[in-house]
Amino acid sequence: KQEVTQIPAALSVPEGENLVLNCSFTDSAIYNLQWFRQDPGKGLTSLLLIQSSQREQTSGRLNASLDKSSGRSTLYIAASQPGDSATYLCAVMNYGGSQGNLIFGKGTKLSVKP
Amino acid sequence: ETGVTQSPTHLIKTRGQQVTLRCSSQSGHNTVSWYQQALGQGPQFIFQYYREEENGRGNFPPRFSGLQFPNYSSELNVNALELDDSALYLCASSPGTVSYEQYFGPGTRLTVT
Repeated sequence: KQEVTQIPAALSVPEGENLVLNCSFTDSAIYNLQWFRQDPGKGLTSLLLIQSSQREQTSGRLNASLDKSSGRSTLYIAASQPGDSATYLCAVMNYGGSQGNLIFGKGTKLSVKP
Repeated sequence: ETGVTQSPTHLIKTRGQQVTLRCSSQSGHNTVSWYQQALGQGPQFIFQYYREEENGRGNFPPRFSGLQFPNYSSELNVNALELDDSALYLCASSPGTVSYEQYFGPGTRLTVT
């Protein structure tokens, strides 16, 4: 059974710092991995999607990497800003499952202080 | 391009009642998935609909049921509500392409008292 873990559960950093959020999964037979952002009480905003054949994806100040063999992904945020404060969720889609069956971690709650 | 929309935004129901939540998928998307997110947890997959047929289901009892309509909008129905059904219910649509990227709506906050 696929399990997704995110460490740390919460993170507080001063504005301008570069930071890394971690995601690990137990079954390496994944189809893709997706990083989301969630503001309090709101829906999910897709940040980056990495296909199983890819090693990384970049969008602006965000860079996500994937190492399937070790069951790990990282989300790197450069030059953090107070507007980056939110919960960041990692989710994987397994091979053989329905295309809607994303398996999520519990998230990392990020606070960027001015 | 209109994104995924959900209604209502908030809902309060009493234990034992029934509830229907609605979702309009993003234009061009033929697949809709529903998730339940309890406070402090990651979303849990309920089920998925593809071209009006259920195409996968998570570990939820039969009192959670759904529909998808010809325009690809969808409903989630929950019967015999329990206190533990209180959660944020998220709908996600997908174009059904190779990437299967999920696009989420804003959610419906259900409170069962």
